[in-house]
Amino acid sequence: EAGVVQSPRYKIIEKKQPVAFWCNPISGHNTLYWYRQNLGQGPELLIRYENEEAVDDSQLPKDRFSAERLKGVDSTLKIQPAELGDSAVYLCASSAVGSGEAFFGQGTRLTVV
Amino acid sequence: GDSVTQMEGPVTLSEEAFLTINCTYTATGYPSLFWYVQYPGEGLQLLLKATKADDKGSNKGFEATYRKETTSFHLEKGSVQVSDSAVYFCALSDRKDDKIIFGKGTRLHILP
Repeated sequence: EAGVVQSPRYKIIEKKQPVAFWCNPISGHNTLYWYRQNLGQGPELLIRYENEEAVDDSQLPKDRFSAERLKGVDSTLKIQPAELGDSAVYLCASSAVGSGEAFFGQGTRLTVV
Repeated sequence: GDSVTQMEGPVTLSEEAFLTINCTYTATGYPSLFWYVQYPGEGLQLLLKATKADDKGSNKGFEATYRKETTSFHLEKGSVQVSDSAVYFCALSDRKDDKIIFGKGTRLHILP
């Protein structure tokens, strides 16, 4: 069974430019998460979806970040415009509803210069 | 709100040493508890889990016991190997929803 797939693996952009990350969760997993992991820190939740509904986006900086999960499967996370402080690893994870056990992709390492 | 606190690293041990990484949690409900591991250059992987008090999760020689009375879930291994070098994250998941909260991680470095 394929795991959570994220792309790209690495991205370098200049500040004020837009960037987008893509995630394909494990088939059948209704819950999808986007986390941000700063260097030396644990993952911090940005947004959580149940199917296509964003059920927890309280930590998403909505002035510049947006996310969508069309048809309740793939998801994209966008930053526009990017700031230097957005440099981090962006992790996507998925889980079966009620399991509490998340499976993570390899992440996208974003560097804003 | 819910939170996880784990010992700060880095932790450096010699091969075959005994390992303990402390983890305590704060939760309003009755969470499930997890240890995730992140090997160099790889994504987060679930190492073990426990869903109720006194449960012991185990995998790859690692163990952790869900202690409700001390709100702890310490990770232990009797004899570490160089290949155990990684960052270890303690986490909890509230049963009311699927929100997963992570600790800051503990970097483990095993010397040959």
